[in-house]
Amino acid sequence: AQSVAQPEDQVNVAEGNPLTVKCTYSVSGNPYLFWYVQYPNRGLQFLLKYITGDNLVKGSYGFEAEFNKSQTSFHLKKPSALVSDSALYFCAVRPRGYSSASKIIFGSGTRLSIRP
Amino acid sequence: DGGITQSPKYLFRKEGQNVTLSCEQNLNHDAMYWYRQDPGQGLRLIYYSQIVNDFQKGDIAEGYSVSREKKESFPLTVTSAQKNPTAFYLCASSPRTSESGKEYFGPGTRLTVL
Repeated sequence: AQSVAQPEDQVNVAEGNPLTVKCTYSVSGNPYLFWYVQYPNRGLQFLLKYITGDNLVKGSYGFEAEFNKSQTSFHLKKPSALVSDSALYFCAVRPRGYSSASKIIFGSGTRLSIRP
Repeated sequence: DGGITQSPKYLFRKEGQNVTLSCEQNLNHDAMYWYRQDPGQGLRLIYYSQIVNDFQKGDIAEGYSVSREKKESFPLTVTSAQKNPTAFYLCASSPRTSESGKEYFGPGTRLTVL
């Protein structure tokens, strides 16, 4: 079965330190990869996506993600965390070759907490 | 959240009642989706629609129904057959022609069964 794993329910980082939110996937082929962020009682906001090309993708709010094909991972990173980065982060994967309305598979989410 | 509106923001339902959640988009997107979010479980797809007058079941369609009579509207009805409807419901849309495109999400509706 196709799946997306976010192994950490919560990540705690001090402000100013680098952060990593992990994501691995089990999807056949070369899927499209996404990161979304959710603030309390809000919808999801798009951060970045990987389609092809450079393995390091840059996105909104200073976030970036590194695609590793051999490890089927797409970890979210930021060099210097801000307290305002505290939110729920979702990794998502859409298989290639499907119609555009095919299912995006979401991970279970990782709560990022940045302490001052 | 821009471009997609969901109403109401909070909804309370008595057991045995059907309720309808509204989702409207002005992005001219063909595809629309409904997700359910429960703590620790991420998002699960309920229904999706690629085009007007057509929709498909997602992973957890039992106890839910939808309609797509207009391109901009995709209402979700939570029926009394849904055994555990208390959850946060998210509507999304995307351009039909781009499978690499992101989905745009509405602000969500929190449904509580009393």
